[in-house]
Amino acid sequence: DAKTTQPPSMDCAEGRAANLPCNHSTISGNEYVYWYRQIHSQGPQYIIHGLKNNETNEMASLIITEDRKSSTLILPHATLRDTAVYYCIALNNNNDMRFGAGTRLTVKP
Amino acid sequence: DAGVIQSPRHEVTEMGQEVTLRCKPISGHNSLFWYRQTMMRGLELLIYFNNNVPIDDSGMPEDRFSAKMPNASFSTLKIQPSEPRDSAVYFCASSGYGTSGRGSYNEQFFGPGTRLTVL
Repeated sequence: DAKTTQPPSMDCAEGRAANLPCNHSTISGNEYVYWYRQIHSQGPQYIIHGLKNNETNEMASLIITEDRKSSTLILPHATLRDTAVYYCIALNNNNDMRFGAGTRLTVKP
Repeated sequence: DAGVIQSPRHEVTEMGQEVTLRCKPISGHNSLFWYRQTMMRGLELLIYFNNNVPIDDSGMPEDRFSAKMPNASFSTLKIQPSEPRDSAVYFCASSGYGTSGRGSYNEQFFGPGTRLTVL
C-alpha cells in the first residue's frame, strides 16, 4: 500500500472549516483513500473513503486531486468534539490497513 | 447492535503472567483485526482474520503472542509470558457487511480497547 504524508498538527477555530491535507504521491490505480479519526482514549472511527471522485457524507467531504497524488478531508463546521488525530490511509481491498502518525487537529473556541 | 465488544477494559498484571484479551465482533462481519497502540510506535496491526482464518500475522511481535478465532463471534489475543514492554492499548476491530447492512469492505469498526499494564 502507498505511503501517505500528513502534517503532524493543525489548529482550527470552532465553527470554521477544517481542511486536512494528505499526500499520497505513490498511490496506485486500485488503492482507495481512507480517512479515520481517533478521539482521545477511544478506538479509531471511520470517516470517509474515495477512489477518484469527490465524496461527501454526514461527517465530512473528501476532495481527491485529479492525479490522485493528494487529497483533503474537509470538516465543514468544526466543533470542539472534532478535536482528534486524523489518519489518511491509502489502501487496496486487502484489509491490511496501516496507520501512520496522522494529523492532530485541535479545534479551539 | 452493541458494536465491537472487548474485555477486559483494563488489565494490570505482573511480568511472566499469562494475559488473555477477548473480542466479540459485530454480528455478521467476516473480518477481525487486532491492533496495538503505544506512544512510541503508534497504532500497529498485529493480525487479522477473514472468515475465522488468520490471513496475516506478520505484525505479531514474537512467539509470546498468539491469536485465535474459534468462531465468527469470538476472538482472543493471548500473551504468554507477558513483559513490561507489552504494556499498551489493544484494539479489536471488525469489518464486512453486518446483518443490518452496516459496514463496507474496508470500513473497520473498532472496539473501546483494552489497556494492558504489565508490571
